[in-house]
Amino acid sequence: NAGVMQNPRHLVRRRGQEARLRCSPMKGHSHVYWYRQLPEEGLKFMVYLQKENIIDESGMPKERFSAEFPKEGPSILRIQQVVRGDSAAYFCASSPPTLNIQYFGAGTRLSVL
Amino acid sequence: RKEVEQDPGPFNVPEGATVAFNCTYSNSASQSFFWYRQDCRKEPKLLMSVYSSGNEDGRFTAQLNRASQYISLLIRDSKLSDSATYLCVVFPSSGSARQLTFGSGTQLTVLP
Repeated sequence: NAGVMQNPRHLVRRRGQEARLRCSPMKGHSHVYWYRQLPEEGLKFMVYLQKENIIDESGMPKERFSAEFPKEGPSILRIQQVVRGDSAAYFCASSPPTLNIQYFGAGTRLSVL
Repeated sequence: RKEVEQDPGPFNVPEGATVAFNCTYSNSASQSFFWYRQDCRKEPKLLMSVYSSGNEDGRFTAQLNRASQYISLLIRDSKLSDSATYLCVVFPSSGSARQLTFGSGTQLTVLP
């Protein structure tokens, strides 16, 4: 049973480009969460999704950031027109519907030049 | 006030030592509590859940005091491999909110 899969592991973008981060949850998990960890800081919640629905996006920046979890395929976190302050580790987690425990992927480290 | 507060450390202890970490949380209605560990540049990994009755997993003991809104983690006979950042994590109380709230972590280095 594969764990939470994230790709790419490392992503380099220039200012103004778009970044797309992918996350495939563990088998049997229908809930996906995205967290961001800025350098030397703790993890901060961004968004919680179920298939085809955004349940809670209270942690998402109001502009440039969007997330989806389509019926087929991985969850995508999209950052448009990246800026240097977007450089961070982005972690995806998943959980089954009935448990509070979340399991994390290895993360995507975004570097904005 | 932060929702989850931890002593950032660092804690530098010799192998075999016993070390304790503390954490406080602000939302008295919080539902579930966890300790995760995070190795440098890696993802957080669940170490253990924390229950009011206290629970033990090998060398690790976790305690929860709901009245004081206080969580602790005790590591006995520490090993070099225990070196990591330990994250106190709280799960919300109700409604559709399911995000974990992380403390900023306590850094532990076990020295040979």
